[in-house]
Amino acid sequence: EVQLVESGGGVVRPGGSLRLSCAASGFTFDDYGMSWVRQAPGKGLEWVSGINWNGGSTGYADSVKGRFTISRDNAKNSLYLQMNSLRAEDTALYHCARSNAHYYGSGSYNSYWGQGTLVTVSS
Amino acid sequence: DIQMTQSPSTLSASVGDRVTITCRASQSISSWLAWYQQKPGKAPKLLIYKASSLESGVPSRFSGSGSGTEFTLTISSLQPDDFATYYCQQYNSYSPFTFGPGTKVDIK
Repeated sequence: EVQLVESGGGVVRPGGSLRLSCAASGFTFDDYGMSWVRQAPGKGLEWVSGINWNGGSTGYADSVKGRFTISRDNAKNSLYLQMNSLRAEDTALYHCARSNAHYYGSGSYNSYWGQGTLVTVSS
Repeated sequence: DIQMTQSPSTLSASVGDRVTITCRASQSISSWLAWYQQKPGKAPKLLIYKASSLESGVPSRFSGSGSGTEFTLTISSLQPDDFATYYCQQYNSYSPFTFGPGTKVDIK
């Protein structure tokens, strides 16, 4: 059974940093691209960032470019999101999601999702 | 960026009803469209990919159709487990992937 379990969320002040983690199991992690998708309270889904199977290609939404960094450790079956210079508008539930393919880009979709970890940016 | 819209935003229906949700893209995305179901506090679940392909394990009462800019998700006979919010997502362009705003299906 595919499982994606996010952790690392919490309350942080504007300008602060957090590192989210996603522990994957039930599939061969380094066969798939991965993404982070967030959902602000009561709102819809927003793709944040993606990474291909070996970490060689990454992408970011304009809203987080230059502040967030996605990475993965295939030996640990883990995905990460380093979030710096956090803003109130980054407050959301952050889901990690597995692609159907080696990559995250055009032509791929999210086959499996985790339940998310909540990030609250507030003073 | 490709913009996605959905209609209606909320849909009230009864068990056994046929339900149709529409998703439109601001430019052609061929058939690169997925549909997800999300229940409160839960992870989104993939229902349909490539506009009309049913994900393994998803009940056959769910179906998708369309191409280009207009797509539909149909539930042929609404079941109690189907009350949820449904999102479409385009994956024609990854700069960025974009989701529709969602359609909440609730009990009439």
